Amino acid sequence: EAGVAQSPRYKIIEKRQSVAFWCNPISGHATLYWYQQILGQGPKLLIQFQNNGVVDDSQLPKDRFSAERLKGVDSTLKIQPAKLEDSAVYLCASSLAGMAQYFGPGTRLLVL
Amino acid sequence: GQQLNQSPQSMFIQEGEDVSMNCTSSSIFNTWLWYKQDPGEGPVLLIALYKAGELTSNGRLTAQFGITRKDSFLNISASIPSDVGIYFCAGSNTGNQFYFGTGTSLTVIP
Repeated sequence: EAGVAQSPRYKIIEKRQSVAFWCNPISGHATLYWYQQILGQGPKLLIQFQNNGVVDDSQLPKDRFSAERLKGVDSTLKIQPAKLEDSAVYLCASSLAGMAQYFGPGTRLLVL
Repeated sequence: GQQLNQSPQSMFIQEGEDVSMNCTSSSIFNTWLWYKQDPGEGPVLLIALYKAGELTSNGRLTAQFGITRKDSFLNISASIPSDVGIYFCAGSNTGNQFYFGTGTSLTVIP
């Protein structure tokens, strides 16, 4: 069974630029999560989708971050404009409802 | 948000030794998860616990869901060099939103 796929694996941008990350969850997993992981810390939830609807986006900085899952499968996370403090690993995870989450390899973002 | 206290923060052990780490929360959870994260990779699920008192093994790893439902424990027996990494606990009281601990960094000295 294929795992959670993410791209790109690495991205370097300058502050004020825009960036987008893509996630393809495990087939059949209705729940999809985006996390931000800053070096030395545990993952912090940004947004959770159930199919194509948002379940929780309370910790998403909505002035600059946006995410969508239009067809209930793939998802994109966008940052516009990026700030230096956005440098982190962005992890996508998926799960069956109420069950354990499986993570992708992450996208490492460096904002200069 | 919910705070999970994970301890110890780091461990340095000799190969072959057993390892114990734990995670505590300020509120009751109904699901506990344990992950291992290698450098440059996403967290990999090790063990999932769904019932208070549950004791589950995965090879040399054993995890327990505390009776109070506010804590969980992970033990690694006979550690080997490939056990090196950061171990995260995660808990949920809804089965949806999970809160993560700050991680335990494990170093195994050959």
